[in-house]
Amino acid sequence: DAGVIQSPRHEVTEMGQEVTLRCKPISGHNSLFWYRQTMMRGLELLIYFNNNVPIDDSGMPEDRFSAKMPNASFSTLKIQPSEPRDSAVYFCASSSPQNVASGSSYNEQFFGPGTRLTVL
Amino acid sequence: DAKTTQPPSMDCAEGRAANLPCNHSTISGNEYVYWYRQIHSQGPQYIIHGLKNNETNEMASLIITEDRKSSTLILPHATLRDTAVYYCIDINNNNDMRFGAGTRLTVKP
Repeated sequence: DAGVIQSPRHEVTEMGQEVTLRCKPISGHNSLFWYRQTMMRGLELLIYFNNNVPIDDSGMPEDRFSAKMPNASFSTLKIQPSEPRDSAVYFCASSSPQNVASGSSYNEQFFGPGTRLTVL
Repeated sequence: DAKTTQPPSMDCAEGRAANLPCNHSTISGNEYVYWYRQIHSQGPQYIIHGLKNNETNEMASLIITEDRKSSTLILPHATLRDTAVYYCIDINNNNDMRFGAGTRLTVKP
């Protein structure tokens, strides 16, 4: 398996432009996560999907950010309009929760290589 | 916000064991402890997880105290390639992982 695929790997844009980040999760995984990482705030969970449905978007910073998962093999994170403070590395991760005998489940999240976004 | 606390940095000599502590005093009964690491410029990588028993895999060992309020990740023979930021996370069934600042481990020759 190629792992989680993200594109583009690097994006440089000007303030006010629309930015679309793309993610292809690992085949068979039913959960997908978008994270943002900056020096100041570390690694933050933005939103996650289970079976293509957004479950928790409380980490999305504001209305300029939106995420979609139209099918099990593709997700996008869109910023419109972009601002310099959006500059960060954006990671996508996917997982497939495993059930254990206790009835609980655990999951290992597999992260993509990230997209480094610079907004000038 | 993260519910775990870790020292910001540690050093370890190459070939020696690296012991990385984590406090998770508010952990609840059904929450697992996960460890991930992030090597510079890469995405985080899963290492190991546990509920209440000690665990070992090909990468590391995880020692969880009996009261489950703290744990230690052990890299038995650290190499230079183990230099990374190590994150300790507690997570329940809703997949909601909150990363803290982690511990920056530097393995020195």
